[in-house]
Amino acid sequence: KQEVTQIPAALSVPEGENLVLNCSFTDSAIYNLQWFRQDPGKGLTSLLLIQSSQREQTSGRLNASLDKSSGRSTLYIAASQPGDSATYLCAVPGRGYNKLIFGAGTRLAVHP
Amino acid sequence: EAQVTQNPRYLITVTGKKLTVTCSQNMNHEYMSWYRQDPGLGLRQIYYSMNVEVTDKGDVPEGYKVSRKEKRNFPLILESPSPNQTSLYFCASSLSGGGNYGYTFGSGTRLTVV
Repeated sequence: KQEVTQIPAALSVPEGENLVLNCSFTDSAIYNLQWFRQDPGKGLTSLLLIQSSQREQTSGRLNASLDKSSGRSTLYIAASQPGDSATYLCAVPGRGYNKLIFGAGTRLAVHP
Repeated sequence: EAQVTQNPRYLITVTGKKLTVTCSQNMNHEYMSWYRQDPGLGLRQIYYSMNVEVTDKGDVPEGYKVSRKEKRNFPLILESPSPNQTSLYFCASSLSGGGNYGYTFGSGTRLTVV
């Protein structure tokens, strides 16, 4: 059974720091891994989708890497800003590939 | 703009009063799904649809119904809502099932059943 774990659960940093959020999964037979952002009580915004054949994807100040063999992905946020404050979720396709399995998320607070 | 649209965004209702939450996508996606999000329990799948007229149960289908008569629409029906269905609901779509493609989520529907 696929399980997704995110570490740390919460993170509070001053503005300008470079951050690494971690995601691990137990079953390495995945097609892809997706990172989402969720503002409190709001929807899920897709940040990056990494296919299993890729090692990383970049979008602006965000860079996500994927190491299937070790069951890990990291989301790197460069030069963090207060507007980055949100919960970050990673997700992989579940068994049967008809749903996403989500981690519990990392709640990020960036203070000025 | 490519998007998944849910309505309403907020809903307060009373126990037992039937309601429908609508979901529509404009990306010609085959796959659609409903999730609920609860504190401490994360996101759990309610129902999914691989294509028109093809639906199946997710992990927590009790108390819910769905239909997929058209490709773009996937409404969630609560025939007799109960307080334990108070939750944040999300509709999602993907180009196809099978896990090959990324998912797009709607903005969510905050449902309160009193």
